[in-house]
Amino acid sequence: GAVVSQHPSWVICKSGTSVKIECRSLDFQATTMFWYRQFPKQSLMLMATSNEGSKATYEQGVEKDKFLINHASLTLSTLTVTSAHPEDSSFYICSARPGGTHGGDTQYFGPGTRLTVL
Amino acid sequence: LAKTTQPISMDSYEGQEVNITCSHNNIATNDYITWYQQFPSQGPRFIIQGYKTKVTNEVASLFIPADRKSSTLSLPRVSLSDTAVYYCLVGGHQAGTALIFGKGTTLSVSS
Repeated sequence: GAVVSQHPSWVICKSGTSVKIECRSLDFQATTMFWYRQFPKQSLMLMATSNEGSKATYEQGVEKDKFLINHASLTLSTLTVTSAHPEDSSFYICSARPGGTHGGDTQYFGPGTRLTVL
Repeated sequence: LAKTTQPISMDSYEGQEVNITCSHNNIATNDYITWYQQFPSQGPRFIIQGYKTKVTNEVASLFIPADRKSSTLSLPRVSLSDTAVYYCLVGGHQAGTALIFGKGTTLSVSS
């Protein structure tokens, strides 16, 4: 199947700093990527849809000025958590969906990034 | 987007066949059914996808009745390493449409 990578796999930062997480589709192009957040013992929650060359679409309740998304190329989307606070500590997961012949709505997920804000 | 309902948890023993059923009464005509597996601190891993009838791959089978209002993931001869959360999702071909996750089924396999 298609491969999606994330970097870094984990990060620890001080409160008030900003953290950037990269999501790459390694063997396919993705005009759309998705960012999810997962708290312990909970399911994945969709945060935003990242569109190459245009503004991201955020889910209700997600602050667009706090979670900056840039989808500058067909293989890279970045999520920047600005002025991070301890409540932003979570597991952030991106996904991408190959187009064309793959069919259906098969989304492939990255390995996730564990963010801990002290 | 179709809502799915799965059992919260299931228990099994090594070597047994496990069947996890998912209800999706409001599935749309162009929706596919996809199952993912997730281990702690990892991203979801694609298991299998189908539209109707039966689909089989090297790790699982997916059974979908004619009305498509439910589906069953079948894991043959589970092992301890199959202990994970399993998510059933439905979605269509619409470009840019994200998959929305339900609570999933936590499968615990014991020896």
